[in-house]
Amino acid sequence: RKEVEQDPGPFNVPEGATVAFNCTYSNSASQSFFWYRQDCRKEPKLLMSVYSSGNEDGRFTAQLNRASQYISLLIRDSKLSDSATYLCVVNGPTGRRALTFGSGTRLQVQP
Amino acid sequence: GAGVSQSPSNKVTEKGKDVELRCDPISGHTALYWYRQSLGQGLEFLIYFQGNSAPDKSGLPSDRFSAERTGGSVSTLTIQRTQQEDSAVYLCASSLGFPVLDRGHEQYFGPGTRLTVT
Repeated sequence: RKEVEQDPGPFNVPEGATVAFNCTYSNSASQSFFWYRQDCRKEPKLLMSVYSSGNEDGRFTAQLNRASQYISLLIRDSKLSDSATYLCVVNGPTGRRALTFGSGTRLQVQP
Repeated sequence: GAGVSQSPSNKVTEKGKDVELRCDPISGHTALYWYRQSLGQGLEFLIYFQGNSAPDKSGLPSDRFSAERTGGSVSTLTIQRTQQEDSAVYLCASSLGFPVLDRGHEQYFGPGTRLTVT
């Protein structure tokens, strides 16, 4: 089982749609969770951290379910500029402080 | 403020040659990471430095790969006797390295070095 698993997509959605991505992680001791965004041929950029209570930043909402070991990202009112690959990121494995990245979910927002 | 910088941005080298890739982390960040990303693939962890602690080298794919971090700041990743399968984008990231409330582990990436081994 991969440490961090994501549906690779692509998710093709029209502008204005709401889209949700899920991610599961295997290390129950993980404490830090993030969503990163990566545009084609660019470096990953931090989109948002994911806190236990869930958090929202504008059109983006992140949720954490520790019991089920999954993280979600909801994007409301999709824009063309949201088209990118979204990486689910978790700290671990145990004993290693570097982050573990999922392979990403590709989103394509269409006009 | 200034972000993570990497040099060179592109490097083309012949198989068998050695290469050095450089990373300047964000000022004040004590943790530094190297990853690589092959075309269309996810990020592969290579090595992690935290302050003066021994680096975590668990991700280095072979003994041809090494990295050092001088003075707790700039880091150099060296690949000896390059092979074609080493072709990838090499990404460096830095973070505060210690938790501040819920934060401190977020990593910020440099633009990467695109390495092509011919």
